[in-house]
Amino acid sequence: NAGVMQNPRHLVRRRGQEARLRCSPMKGHSHVYWYRQLPEEGLKFMVYLQKENIIDESGMPKERFSAEFPKEGPSILRIQQVVRGDSAAYFCASSPGTGGNIQYFGAGTRLSVL
Amino acid sequence: DAKTTQPTSMDCAEGRAANLPCNHSTISGNEYVYWYRQIHSQGPQYIIHGLKNNETNEMASLIITEDRKSSTLILPHATLRDTAVYYCIVRLNNNDMRFGAGTRLTVKP
Repeated sequence: NAGVMQNPRHLVRRRGQEARLRCSPMKGHSHVYWYRQLPEEGLKFMVYLQKENIIDESGMPKERFSAEFPKEGPSILRIQQVVRGDSAAYFCASSPGTGGNIQYFGAGTRLSVL
Repeated sequence: DAKTTQPTSMDCAEGRAANLPCNHSTISGNEYVYWYRQIHSQGPQYIIHGLKNNETNEMASLIITEDRKSSTLILPHATLRDTAVYYCIVRLNNNDMRFGAGTRLTVKP
């Protein structure tokens, strides 16, 4: 049973470009969470999605960031017009549902903005 | 969500038990205590969680005080590979988890 798969593992973008980060949850999991970790800091919650629905996006920056979890395929975190401050590790987690379910994390995508 | 307080760093000798404390004095009755760790720059790894009772699994034991205002994660026989940042998280039965700064545990030979 494969774990949470994130790709790419490393992504380099120039300022102003778009970054697309993908997350495939564990088999049987229908809930996906995105977190961001700046260097030397803890993880910060960004968004929680179920299939085709955004449930909680209270941690998402108001502009340039969006997330989706389509009926088919992986969850996508999209960052438009990246800036140097977007450089961070982005982690995805999945769980089978709510109610205290354990979140299992992927290995992360490290975004570097030049 | 309730906040947690953890020491910034701790050392432990290899083979000895590592006891990592966590204070969560404002925890509410339906909030769970979760522990994760992050080794180097890897994704966080689930360790254990509990509500009221002490819990044990193959990785660790979790001791929660009777008033639930604090807890201790115990790694019974620490190895060098247990060197990591350990996060104590208090979580409602909902969605996001609020990671603090955690405790940086260094296991020394």
